Amino acid sequence: AQSVAQPEDQVNVAEGNPLTVKCTYSVSGNPYLFWYVQYPNRGLQFLLKYITGDNLVKGSYGFEAEFNKSQTSFHLKKPSALVSDSALYFCAVRDAPYNFNKFYFGSGTKLNVKP
Amino acid sequence: DTGVSQNPRHKITKRGQNVTFRCDPISEHNRLYWYRQTLGQGPEFLTYFQNEAQLEKSRLLSDRFSAERPKGSFSTLEIQRTEQGDSAMYLCASSLGRASYNSPLHFGNGTRLTVT
Repeated sequence: AQSVAQPEDQVNVAEGNPLTVKCTYSVSGNPYLFWYVQYPNRGLQFLLKYITGDNLVKGSYGFEAEFNKSQTSFHLKKPSALVSDSALYFCAVRDAPYNFNKFYFGSGTKLNVKP
Repeated sequence: DTGVSQNPRHKITKRGQNVTFRCDPISEHNRLYWYRQTLGQGPEFLTYFQNEAQLEKSRLLSDRFSAERPKGSFSTLEIQRTEQGDSAMYLCASSLGRASYNSPLHFGNGTRLTVT
């Protein structure tokens, strides 16, 4: 079975501090992992992905994520948070090749960055 | 890239009425997905198309739901005899096909349905 867990409903961080949003996954095959951000009343915007290769991937707006196969995790990070980063963040996985056609999403983590 | 377009943005309807939503994907994308998102939850898969063929439907998609993608371009999602439990954000997304296996989903801004 495929699933994504985002253990924190909300993360609070002060502007300028590093942030981490956690994600763990479960798949039968090889994980293709994605992070998306959602602003109020908008669709999801793609941030970054891990398919293969270097475990640290960089994406849009200064975000990066680290793939850890042994811990089945794909945590989103940013060295210095901005107030404008406040939004809802979703982790997603595709299960290659067993259930490749669908993207499975976590329940989301609300990031609050305070000035 | 003009993005994925969804219409209408908001729809308020009375229980028992039928509603139809439209999605226009990114033009070169041959895969199109419908997801449903309720408050505090992540998107849940409903169905997807490869060109005009509907290849998979979720168990969430009851007989009251139907989706089409004529000619492999835009798609419509119809809900018949709406129920209050259908109230949600309906998201459309598109992507390149299997040949671009690492292609992410590109989402529209969604249609928010409220059933009164």
